[in-house]
Amino acid sequence: IAGITQAPTSQILAAGRRMTLRCTQDMRHNAMYWYRQDLGLGLRLIHYSNTAGTTGKGEVPDGYSVSRANTDDFPLTLASAVPSQTSVYFCASSDSTSGGAATQYFGPGTRLTVL
Amino acid sequence: GQNIDQPTEMTATEGAIVQINCTYQTSGFNGLFWYQQHAGEAPTFLSYNVLDGLEEKGRFSSFLSRSKGYSYLLLKELQMKDSASYLCAVRDSNYQLIWGAGTKLIIKP
Repeated sequence: IAGITQAPTSQILAAGRRMTLRCTQDMRHNAMYWYRQDLGLGLRLIHYSNTAGTTGKGEVPDGYSVSRANTDDFPLTLASAVPSQTSVYFCASSDSTSGGAATQYFGPGTRLTVL
Repeated sequence: GQNIDQPTEMTATEGAIVQINCTYQTSGFNGLFWYQQHAGEAPTFLSYNVLDGLEEKGRFSSFLSRSKGYSYLLLKELQMKDSASYLCAVRDSNYQLIWGAGTKLIIKP
């Protein structure tokens, strides 16, 4: 593993189903993030984690949950998917001890379609 | 509210220079980032500015004026591979990144 990986690459999901998007990083970054990207909109933060064992809500957290049991993994769960959750989902990580200069590094993304 | 404004789309010619502007209104300021995103791919880091002035990195330069809430990304000697979206993001007082919608840059031969 090098950097950040996400799985699956893409998924078509029936509305009402539960889905977990996986994210793993091997850079030992303390902070991790989940964003969604929709056409014409900027990246929007769903949830974040500043360190293992802690999580926080971003701009658009409703319908999503996260956990951070260890440094490397940060799964995102949709408890009951709805069509408005159709989007491209990016996981990112950063070494937040760099303060304002901390650069976020992104995984390749998961393209999710909810029908 | 917090707001990042960038042009939606720009077109330029191979070999030329293009300037992509970004204006921002955020609660606090802890730095401004530029990312490049090719279609279907993840954003990748280009530059970071926290102090006023110009940061040069090869063909790419980024400028910041904190008093004006303004930044630009300057791309010189454009190549076809520079066709991509360019994302401006500001780190706010909570140290979260606020993202613009991105500028799609089209390079013509």
